[in-house]
Amino acid sequence: GAGVSQSPRYKVTKRGQDVALRCDPISGHVSLYWYRQALGQGPEFLTYFNYEAQQDKSGLPNDRFSAERPEGSISTLTIQRTEQRDSAMYRCASSREAGPPASYEQYFGPGTRLTVT
Amino acid sequence: GQSLEQPSEVTAVEGAIVQINCTYQTSGFYGLSWYQQHDGGAPTFLSYNALDGLEETGRFSSFLSRSDSYGYLLLQELQMKDSASYFCAVSWVANNQGGKLIFGQGTELSVKP
Repeated sequence: GAGVSQSPRYKVTKRGQDVALRCDPISGHVSLYWYRQALGQGPEFLTYFNYEAQQDKSGLPNDRFSAERPEGSISTLTIQRTEQRDSAMYRCASSREAGPPASYEQYFGPGTRLTVT
Repeated sequence: GQSLEQPSEVTAVEGAIVQINCTYQTSGFYGLSWYQQHDGGAPTFLSYNALDGLEETGRFSSFLSRSDSYGYLLLQELQMKDSASYFCAVSWVANNQGGKLIFGQGTELSVKP
């Protein structure tokens, strides 16, 4: 595709429900990154993949958060038993190759605005 | 851990030059990137520096001093459309397997007529 796409763009869910956020990176991009962004703040790293391998998940807040990229393309970020504090913009990004310098240049998607009521 | 500091707000007039500074403290530092984000939009890549010195891309330039753990983004011939938030981000690499970006809090640039 022309750019990184994410779905849904908006998600409202009740506390305690599970949600799955989808990211479709730019075709052929090796690396895929997940970030969370609060209003007025910079993106906060969650996890990233090279191909289908999860390289770093140190930013996932707790074990309710998980991510996968089974075929090295589309990725899903899953939040189980959502809590109000999970409300945020979740952004996905991809880069053409793994490692620098390509990893400096990340292409961000439009994000999924998650609201937990 | 990693931390970055940049001013929260900067105001300048159209046609002027503005410099946005970024200082960082991090282990495993590999490079410094800059991103622009307009209200309601996605961050977009502007430039990066892996080596000391100045990198120029059109009206935008970015500078890095690794010894001082300091960099800046220089915007020339400011236009109204440059009003946005600007983030510096350090690239942290482990085992050359690609890297996550750690972002600063962002600098909101307001360009006045």
